[in-house]
Formats: sequence, C-alpha cells, structure tokens
Amino acid sequence: DTGVSQDPRHKITKRGQNVTFRCDPISEHNRLYWYRQTLGQGPEFLTYFQNEAQLEKSRLLSDRFSAERPKGSFSTLEIQRTEQGDSAMYLCASSPQAPRGEAFFGQGTRLTVV
Amino acid sequence: GNSVTQMEGPVTLSEEAFLTINCTYTATGYPSLFWYVQYPGEGLQLLLKATKADDKGSNKGFEATYRKETTSFHLEKGSVQVSDSAVYFCALSADGGSNYKLTFGKGTLLTVNP
Repeated sequence: DTGVSQDPRHKITKRGQNVTFRCDPISEHNRLYWYRQTLGQGPEFLTYFQNEAQLEKSRLLSDRFSAERPKGSFSTLEIQRTEQGDSAMYLCASSPQAPRGEAFFGQGTRLTVV
Repeated sequence: GNSVTQMEGPVTLSEEAFLTINCTYTATGYPSLFWYVQYPGEGLQLLLKATKADDKGSNKGFEATYRKETTSFHLEKGSVQVSDSAVYFCALSADGGSNYKLTFGKGTLLTVNP
C-alpha cells in the first residue's frame, strides 16, 4: 500500500491556460475526494466520487472545473482558463467504505497561476 | 451548515510543556470528529478521532474528548516534543448519506522549541 499519490506536486501555469491533475487513491478505497487549500485556511471540499460516480460537487467548483474518475480507479481534476484566484493546494483523499470520515490524503498539487 | 472553529495560532511552546488546542463545532445530526496533522512538507495525516459523545480519541500521547454538551473536541498533550511541531486541523464528518466529506477548521500552527 503506497498511499494516495498525486501528480504533479507543483504546477506553474499562465493565466488562461488549462491544467490537469491526477490522483491515484489507495486501491481498495471506493470513495475519492478533492479538496482545495489556500494559505492559512483548512482544506475545503470540492467534489466526491463513489467508485466512478461523481455524487456531489461543491458550489466552490465553478464551470471551469471538471473532475472524472473513469473505471473507479484514478481521478483527474481539470481547470480550464485558469485565473490567479485558482492558485492553491489541491488535495486528493480516499477512504474505505467505513468508518465514516477516516480519509487518507495525498501530498497535494500546488498550483501557481501567474 | 456545518462549521469548525479552532484556536488561532501560532502556538509556541517549550519542550515538555502542556498543549491545548481548542476546537468547537456546529453540525446537524451527530458528526464524527477528527484531528488531522500536517508535518512540514508532508500530507495531512489522521491523528485521532471520536465517533460519538463522550468518546475519547488518543494517539501518540495526544487526546481529545467528544463533548456534545459544549460541542467541543479540544486537543491536549501532556508533554510536547520538538517533533510535534506541525499544523493541526480539527475536522468533522456529518451525516450526509454516503458522502463522508470533511469540514475543517483553519488550522493551528504549533512550534515546539528545545
């Protein structure tokens, strides 16, 4: 068990460009979450997958954001037409069927939009 | 909605001092409560949890008791070490069907000096 893996660890992009992040959860975990963390704040929920189904999206997730989890394995988070306000740490977490809330986090992808 | 309020940091202590980080919450239903820790350069790790009123979570010398009457989950450690220097996040997972998403506080930076 190698834990939750995220790629890349750092991404610097120009405003207006599209970026895509990848998350590989712990293999037996059917729940996968994306969170966003800005400086001095706790992580904020973005979206949730159970297997391949995206079951909830936060109001924080604008139309420029899209997430997928094909085949219920890895997940991608894409941001289109990036803005400076998108600069943040994007965290992926996975959790087993039970117990409730016990999530395992990756090290995150730090996005800087210049 | 659900929310978590935790003690503002930063907190600076000398080695072997007593630690308390306050955390209070607002939630519908009966949430599970967590403390996560983020060591420098690492991802979020679950430190301890409690799933019902009066439960005490404990790990690595840290303890927190789920107090429903005061809606609190304060983190304590009797004697901190330099290696405890990290950011600590209080979080809850409330009843929400199958989505066990976490709501986090803003985090408290702890620095322990030798």
